[in-house]
Amino acid sequence: DAGITQSPRYKITETGRQVTLMCHQTWSHSYMFWYRQDLGHGLRLIYYSAAADITDKGEVPDGYVVSRSKTENFPLTLESATRSQTSVYFCASSDRTSGNPYEQYFGPGTRLTVT
Amino acid sequence: RKEVEQDPGPFNVPEGATVAFNCTYSNSASQSFFWYRQDCRKEPKLLMSVYSSGNEDGRFTAQLNRASQYISLLIRDSKLSDSATYLCAVNGAYSSASKIIFGSGTRLSIRP
Repeated sequence: DAGITQSPRYKITETGRQVTLMCHQTWSHSYMFWYRQDLGHGLRLIYYSAAADITDKGEVPDGYVVSRSKTENFPLTLESATRSQTSVYFCASSDRTSGNPYEQYFGPGTRLTVT
Repeated sequence: RKEVEQDPGPFNVPEGATVAFNCTYSNSASQSFFWYRQDCRKEPKLLMSVYSSGNEDGRFTAQLNRASQYISLLIRDSKLSDSATYLCAVNGAYSSASKIIFGSGTRLSIRP
């Protein structure tokens, strides 16, 4: 049972480059989320998706783009990476049909460094 | 005021001790509450949901106090392996799409 996976696990990129972080889940969960985690800020929601082709902004969406053409995939793209986007990025999912649709399950994270 | 607040700690307690954390939330309409555990450089993992009547899972007890708007996590007979950061999470104000808001976490260190 693969669950939720993220790739790459580590990425170093230069300022101005476009970077895409991948998230894949095998549970067919309807909801998917992208968070960033920084010291002093905790987990902050970037974007979320309620289903394929339905996405919405979270708390800190600027500089990021998402898409969700298939239920199982939710890629996050940094259009032009900046140093302030150096962070750990977590993808999460939850199941609308479960007993508690707010229970979220996280991928292993991607550590992104922008130089 | 933050929607979800936790004492960042660190809490440094001896093995075998009992330790408790609180987490306050600002939205009185919140109905879903969780505790997550996060080990260093790892993803948050769901530890337990918090139910209105309180619930227990082995050495862990979670409580909800709606009147004062906080949840608590009690760890009894703490083990070295309990050392981690504990995050509380609450569904936010008028949230849709199953969004939850996380506290910044309380760091727990168990010493031998």
